[in-house]
Amino acid sequence: GQQVMQIPQYQHVQEGEDFTTYCNSSTTLSNIQWYKQRPGGHPVFLIQLVKSGEVKKQKRLTFQFGEAKKNSSLHITATQTTDVGTYFCAGHGSSNTGKLIFGQGTTLQVKP
Amino acid sequence: DTEVTQTPKHLVMGMTNKKSLKCEQHMGHRAMYWYKQKAKKPPELMFVYSYEKLSINESVPSRFSPECPNSSLLNLHLHALQPEDSALYLCASSPGLAETFTYEQYFGPGTRLTVT
Repeated sequence: GQQVMQIPQYQHVQEGEDFTTYCNSSTTLSNIQWYKQRPGGHPVFLIQLVKSGEVKKQKRLTFQFGEAKKNSSLHITATQTTDVGTYFCAGHGSSNTGKLIFGQGTTLQVKP
Repeated sequence: DTEVTQTPKHLVMGMTNKKSLKCEQHMGHRAMYWYKQKAKKPPELMFVYSYEKLSINESVPSRFSPECPNSSLLNLHLHALQPEDSALYLCASSPGLAETFTYEQYFGPGTRLTVT
């Protein structure tokens, strides 16, 4: 079945360092979404990418969608302790309307 | 109002109990979802409702029974659960459903369920 792989599983950084998480899909995605889940919290929608090669920025966060629409990345510049949490990418399930296929998530720890 | 609310926040139930989880949204969204999330795992889709009709059932055991009384409310009825059903149950909503596109989803805070 369709899968979305996400790496790394965990990342520990010093505050101020950069961070990147990568997603790869086994099939072409119509769109990809990114969510953040704080410890003890629930997933919160960050952004959606739709176009091939699309790049979007939100302050220190940069999101990219690959040219082939099979991979995506989230890059955080100069991490802060508020960035702590698990970041999930999620793509549209081609065989099921409404189904998001989530990556396994990358848990980010930031040392002050 | 971009909030999805869920009650209760925590629930402890025995294997013979019957209980219900409730979810509500007032964003005018036409699609609502139930997810199950185990620790350190991504959310796992259980059910999708579109315009109050069940659209997707991800082969969920019949001890979980969803209900959508109206476009703002979503319930999950629980009966004869097993200890392995202990998890965070998340409700979500989105503006709608489309064949080749997935709208952003707004998640509620979840109900943390413990089955003893």
